[in-house]
Amino acid sequence: GQNIDQPTEMTATEGAIVQINCTYQTSGFNGLFWYQQHAGEAPTFLSYNVLDGLEEKGRFSSFLSRSKGYSYLLLKELQMKDSASYLCAVLKAAGNKLTFGGGTRVLVKP
Amino acid sequence: ETGVTQTPRHLVMGMTNKKSLKCEQHLGHNAMYWYKQSAKKPLELMFVYNFKEQTENNSVPSRFSPECPNSSHLFLHLHTLQPEDSALYLCASSQEARSYSGTQYFGPGTRLTVL
Repeated sequence: GQNIDQPTEMTATEGAIVQINCTYQTSGFNGLFWYQQHAGEAPTFLSYNVLDGLEEKGRFSSFLSRSKGYSYLLLKELQMKDSASYLCAVLKAAGNKLTFGGGTRVLVKP
Repeated sequence: ETGVTQTPRHLVMGMTNKKSLKCEQHLGHNAMYWYKQSAKKPLELMFVYNFKEQTENNSVPSRFSPECPNSSHLFLHLHTLQPEDSALYLCASSQEARSYSGTQYFGPGTRLTVL
């Protein structure tokens, strides 16, 4: 089976940095995705990591350590529009199947 | 972003009704997925179709019946649902459904309420 844990909720100030951690236990790991989901909207793709290390895309970066079963999503220079849920999802080795964590709701305050 | 569309966006139905959810993707993909997102639970995979063939049924009750007539369209037929089936039903698509065949792109979902 798979077990994916991430914090339920985080609060940060506009302009600050927030790091959302995700730990997982799985067999047949084939990568880890981060999605952003605003309330009532579709999840949108943010990043995909399959190798260890840091991937940077503008204000968002994602890190993966396969040996530790650990990933984080780093959001820099927070903006009000970044208030959303952030979903960590593990990809199984076969069938392109994603298993999601419960999501982390980030609230950005002025 | 209109790559994956879903209709209706909201649906209220009684337990004895029969209704269908529709998903259409305009991305040229060959794999389509149904997910269920309940309050306070993780997003959960229900069905996977690859080139119109069902490749995954994640132990979904038979009151949910999927249909994939072609690679661009996916339906979820609903009958005799229970109140606990109330949730957001999300459709997604990707290039294929083999070992990492690309990012899954999601539609906006259908918010279903079963009375």
